[in-house]
Amino acid sequence: DVKVTQSSRYLVKRTGEKVFLECVQDMDHENMFWYRQDPGLGLRLIYFSYDVKMKEKGDIPEGYSVSREKKERFSLILESASTNQTSMYLCASSPRGLRKSGNTIYFGEGSWLTVV
Amino acid sequence: SQQGEEDPQALSIQEGENATMNCSYKTSINNLQWYRQNSGRGLVHLILIRSNEREKHSGRLRVTLDTSKKSSSLLITASRAADTASYFCATDFWGAQKLVFGQGTRLTINP
Repeated sequence: DVKVTQSSRYLVKRTGEKVFLECVQDMDHENMFWYRQDPGLGLRLIYFSYDVKMKEKGDIPEGYSVSREKKERFSLILESASTNQTSMYLCASSPRGLRKSGNTIYFGEGSWLTVV
Repeated sequence: SQQGEEDPQALSIQEGENATMNCSYKTSINNLQWYRQNSGRGLVHLILIRSNEREKHSGRLRVTLDTSKKSSSLLITASRAADTASYFCATDFWGAQKLVFGQGTRLTINP
């Protein structure tokens, strides 16, 4: 079965802390994504990566960075956490060819981050 | 924004009834997908319909696509309590290597 694993389900961090959210997929997918989900705002794309060491900004990249050193792992980094980054974060992956074939994307279970 | 919009935002029906959710979008698409999210969990893919298709079925799900109106609908027939979830449409725009999600419809099936 397809598996996207997010390392932490629930985190509580203090304002100003550096936060790492880790995501691993076991499907050898080229594309990986980080979304955040907030009530009334739906899913918003933060960053995505279509290859190792490649990254592209999504709709709301401010305050975030990402790292993709290995194909299976995509990390989201909050350089200095703020309370407005309290949210649910969803990692996802898909095989290459999203543009051509409309491949499905597969989601992890989500990480609930609270910044206090 | 290219984001799709679902309608209604929330829907509550009795078990056994049919549930219809709509999605509208703004620009030409390559395909449109529907996803389901149980409370507090990740999203799960339900069905994909390509821009050259008008209707698609999968079990109790029926999806239609009207590219002239830039809209899609998801019909769940003979609803069950286990169908209670949020449902999202996602569009794949030409030239983009990503999906854009709507805000979702929260469906509640009452026993």
